[in-house]
Amino acid sequence: KAGVTQTPRYLIKTRGQQVTLSCSPISGHRSVSWYQQTPGQGLQFLFEYFSETQRNKGNFPGRFSGRQFSNSRSEMNVSTLELGDSALYLCASSLRLRGGGNTIYFGEGSWLTVV
Amino acid sequence: TQLLEQSPQFLSIQEGENLTVYCNSSSVFSSLQWYRQEPGEGPVLLVTVVTGGEVKKLKRLTFQFGDARKDSSLHITAAQPGDTGLYLCAGEYGNKLVFGAGTILRVKS
Repeated sequence: KAGVTQTPRYLIKTRGQQVTLSCSPISGHRSVSWYQQTPGQGLQFLFEYFSETQRNKGNFPGRFSGRQFSNSRSEMNVSTLELGDSALYLCASSLRLRGGGNTIYFGEGSWLTVV
Repeated sequence: TQLLEQSPQFLSIQEGENLTVYCNSSSVFSSLQWYRQEPGEGPVLLVTVVTGGEVKKLKRLTFQFGDARKDSSLHITAAQPGDTGLYLCAGEYGNKLVFGAGTILRVKS
């Protein structure tokens, strides 16, 4: 079956702009999580959506937001981009919410560079 | 402050050597997972350990979960160049998955 698909794979934005990243989870998976990966901070949890509702949120400013659609596809948005937002943004999907060793599957990520 | 401390940060070894990567915390996790990530790709799950003291083997990789479920180790026997990559541990903590900073492993032939 198809894996987690993220678009776009690479993008360059200017400070102050906003960006929207898209994630299509594995068919049948209802939970979608987003992570930010940087060399300095590693993988940081952004938020998790399940059945169109945000169930968990990490410690990121309000400029970072997301949503999930009825078909489980998810988008995340970053407004007023800062240089420090340059990172690999990873989406992960799973059948259920976190817990009990539930397996999650990562996409290849979207590389965002802010100049 | 990292909830999960991974060590070492970098490891460069010769093909055929053994190595161990450690993942430590003062917190108790309901489960702990190990991932391997190659450049340009997302992390791929290697194993999930749930029970304190659990040991799992995956070919040349041995994973152990500490008795108190606060720490874990990954041991690779006779490392191969194909083992090169970023190894990440991640613990389930309060319905979130918390990642360690990762160990970059390079195996030279």
